[in-house]
Amino acid sequence: EDKVVQSPLSLVVHEGDTVTLNCSYEVTNFRSLLWYKQEKKAPTFLFMLTSSGIEKKSGRLSSILDKKELFSILNITATQTGDSAVYLCAGGKAGGGADGLTFGKGTHLIIQP
Amino acid sequence: GAVVSQHPSWVICKSGTSVKIECRSLDFQATTMFWYRQFPKQSLMLMATSNEGSKATYEQGVEKDKFLINHASLTLSTLTVTSAHPEDSSFYICSARDAGGGLAGLDSYVLNNEQFFGPGTRLTVL
Repeated sequence: EDKVVQSPLSLVVHEGDTVTLNCSYEVTNFRSLLWYKQEKKAPTFLFMLTSSGIEKKSGRLSSILDKKELFSILNITATQTGDSAVYLCAGGKAGGGADGLTFGKGTHLIIQP
Repeated sequence: GAVVSQHPSWVICKSGTSVKIECRSLDFQATTMFWYRQFPKQSLMLMATSNEGSKATYEQGVEKDKFLINHASLTLSTLTVTSAHPEDSSFYICSARDAGGGLAGLDSYVLNNEQFFGPGTRLTVL
């Protein structure tokens, strides 16, 4: 059975801090690792990672994948209160994209002013 | 970016009634749409994969007779919760994958593997 595990489950930091969110996965026919940010409604896409060791960046957010260790991290630097959300990690399969994603339970990040 | 809409946003119904939720891709065609369910403080759980023009594929533990899926066109999938009960109360989210891409090789895969999520439908069954 496919499994995605995120840690920590919950994290409270102060504005300006840097945080690292962890995601480990066991997904058969693995092809991609995706990160989403979920606030009040549906998740919004952040990153898709398919290759090991290549960092993807978007502003203060960055992510990297380690396919040998089956692990990914999401870094957020200089955090702001608007970064407060649940961050979801999901594993995607190979095979033409016909399979749904396997999600982790998410990390609930709270940024205090 | 690609936009996916869901209707309704929120529905309250009595136990025993059926509720239909629509998922539309507004500016792209989606041969495959996915239905997820999210209970409070839980993650998204894939319920089924909806394929245009063919039967849906259900995940283990999801009753196909209770959650009817129809993917009648390349831009519309519907999920009908039949004989809804309070335990079916949840947040239902659909996602759609762009059938096109226009690029070959890895780029095409990257485009084709990204799922665009709808805003979700909150179902409350009394």
